Amino acid sequence: QTVVTQEPSFSVSPGGTVTLTCGLSSGSVSTNFYPSWYQQTPGQAPRTLIYNTHTRSSGVPDRFSGSILGNQAALTITGAQADDESDYYCVLYMGSGILVFGTGTKVTVV
Amino acid sequence: QVQLQESGPGLVKPSQTLSLTCTVSRDSISTSGYYWSWIRQPAGKGLEWIGRIFTSGSTNFNPSLKSRVTMSVDTSNNQFSLNLSSVTAADTAVYYCARALHDVDAFDLWGQGTMVTVSS
Repeated sequence: QTVVTQEPSFSVSPGGTVTLTCGLSSGSVSTNFYPSWYQQTPGQAPRTLIYNTHTRSSGVPDRFSGSILGNQAALTITGAQADDESDYYCVLYMGSGILVFGTGTKVTVV
Repeated sequence: QVQLQESGPGLVKPSQTLSLTCTVSRDSISTSGYYWSWIRQPAGKGLEWIGRIFTSGSTNFNPSLKSRVTMSVDTSNNQFSLNLSSVTAADTAVYYCARALHDVDAFDLWGQGTMVTVSS
């Protein structure tokens, strides 16, 4: 079964920029996978950030942006703030009605 | 705005069936353009998609859970449900219901989640 891979962790300075990626254990991610991104803080339900590769969900600040970088989907946080410290998950549509979550990235703002 | 609320037993015995319901409020579950999913998260671990259901009753499931999962929808009560059979301790998790945008296969609305423990 295909695994959707993300970096386990990232550290970013306040005001800095970080790019998280979402890849496949086999193959390349394209817009055809409809990548989406979710933010989760401990004890809370996930919050939708980005869908359809680059569309920001309502109320999401523009410091969050989505794209395809090479053969992976990417989430970039520009001008990181303390409350961006969270776990981030991508989701890919694999076809045939199947969705797969990525392994998740823990972002620390220090 | 539209809200989702999970409900069901917080404790299920091993080998029994886990049953949860998600109630949709402030909008019709039959509103076009959406489907409905269940997602779970064991403590300290990542999110896992369980499956989805359309208001037509059509379903798709995570291949790793497919043999044990059923889902149903009750449009008259604005609810959809999850049944997971033959549970073990590995099924202990927070279970979330979510609404997804059909044309881009992305979750746009989440329930708060409900903790289910499998234990005798």
